[in-house]
Amino acid sequence: EPEVTQTPSHQVTQMGQEVILRCVPISNHLYFYWYRQILGQKVEFLVSFYNNEISEKSEIFDDQFSVERPDGSNFTLKIRSTKLEDSAMYFCASGGIRGNNEQFFGPGTRLTVL
Amino acid sequence: SQKIEQNSEALNIQEGKTATLTCNYTNYSPAYLQWYRQDPGRGPVFLLLIRENEKEKRKERLKVTFDTTLKQSLFHITASQPADSATYLCAGNTDKLIFGTGTRLQVFP
Repeated sequence: EPEVTQTPSHQVTQMGQEVILRCVPISNHLYFYWYRQILGQKVEFLVSFYNNEISEKSEIFDDQFSVERPDGSNFTLKIRSTKLEDSAMYFCASGGIRGNNEQFFGPGTRLTVL
Repeated sequence: SQKIEQNSEALNIQEGKTATLTCNYTNYSPAYLQWYRQDPGRGPVFLLLIRENEKEKRKERLKVTFDTTLKQSLFHITASQPADSATYLCAGNTDKLIFGTGTRLQVFP
């Protein structure tokens, strides 16, 4: 069964450093998403991406964040200058034909900012 | 602001009983609600989606209802098993998915 994959599973970085989190969505999906979940808190929407552009973003997704689909398979989230409060699980998700229908989540990347 | 609210207290039930979890939404009208299962350290796994014009949806031992008058969805697991123990997330859509905090279900033998 196809699944969303994410790398790395755990990323440790120093405050102020740039990180890139990588995702490979399900191959025939058209809609891509990033979410984050701070330990013990709810899953929070960051950004959705369709047709090679951002379709929606939350107030969390400020200028420090960017997303890219550099080729036909990868979907990346870049945090330019990490802050302590960026420490969280970051989940990538992809969806099929229509946006915001059922979404398939990856296993997540745990980001720890020191 | 738009909110999805779930009972943050854990629900403990005995194996074989029906678990019922509640999801309420405020300050918006989602076109559909989704339910996900999340195990510790893992990503959410999609279970069911129900549209606002559907009263009820079933899948195997799972049943979801959507009451637009009460602004509420109920999620039922019948004949619950210890393997059903997890956190269950409710999510409503507008232009993005808004998740609740989830309700932790513990099924004991």
